[in-house]
Amino acid sequence: GQQVMQIPQYQHVQEGEDFTTYCNSSTTLSNIQWYKQRPGGHPVFLIQLVKSGEVKKQKRLTFQFGEAKKNSSLHITATQTTDVGTYFCAGPDSGGSNYKLTFGKGTLLTVNP
Amino acid sequence: DAGITQSPRHKVTETGTPVTLRCHQTENHRYMYWYRQDPGHGLRLIHYSYGVKDTDKGEVSDGYSVSRSKTEDFLLTLESATSSQTSVYFCATGLAGRTGELFFGEGSRLTVL
Repeated sequence: GQQVMQIPQYQHVQEGEDFTTYCNSSTTLSNIQWYKQRPGGHPVFLIQLVKSGEVKKQKRLTFQFGEAKKNSSLHITATQTTDVGTYFCAGPDSGGSNYKLTFGKGTLLTVNP
Repeated sequence: DAGITQSPRHKVTETGTPVTLRCHQTENHRYMYWYRQDPGHGLRLIHYSYGVKDTDKGEVSDGYSVSRSKTEDFLLTLESATSSQTSVYFCATGLAGRTGELFFGEGSRLTVL
């Protein structure tokens, strides 16, 4: 079945440092989504990327979708303590339907103030 | 956030007993999902529904059944709970199609002794 892999599994940074998490799929994706889960909370949708090579920004967060649509990255510039949490990528079922998502295992980000 | 409520939020039960978790949504979303979240495994899909009385298995469906008799309710049943089913269970809903994003409930923490 489809696999979505994320690295690293954990990342600890000092406040103000940058952070990047990478997502790789075993199959070409029609789109990729990113979610954030705060400690003790539930996953919350951040963004969806659809086009090959797409780059989107949300304040200090930059999301990229690879040219081959098999990988993606999330980069946070100058981390803050509010960025703490687990970041998940998710891709739709390899059949192409959007309604069944496979999640990566996530990257847990901790920030030392 | 979408109106998604899960009940119970916390439950402790004994091995061999049946357990039912309920997910209720007020958003009229067509698609509903049950995921389980375990350390080191991320979010894994148990079952999902693409309409009333239309359900299908996810990647970790053994030992679980679901039912959806109304658009707003999606029930997850553990027919005979085992310790390996100790987990945090998340319900999610979505529109699929254009956006595909999922909206998650607050989660239900289940402990099987």
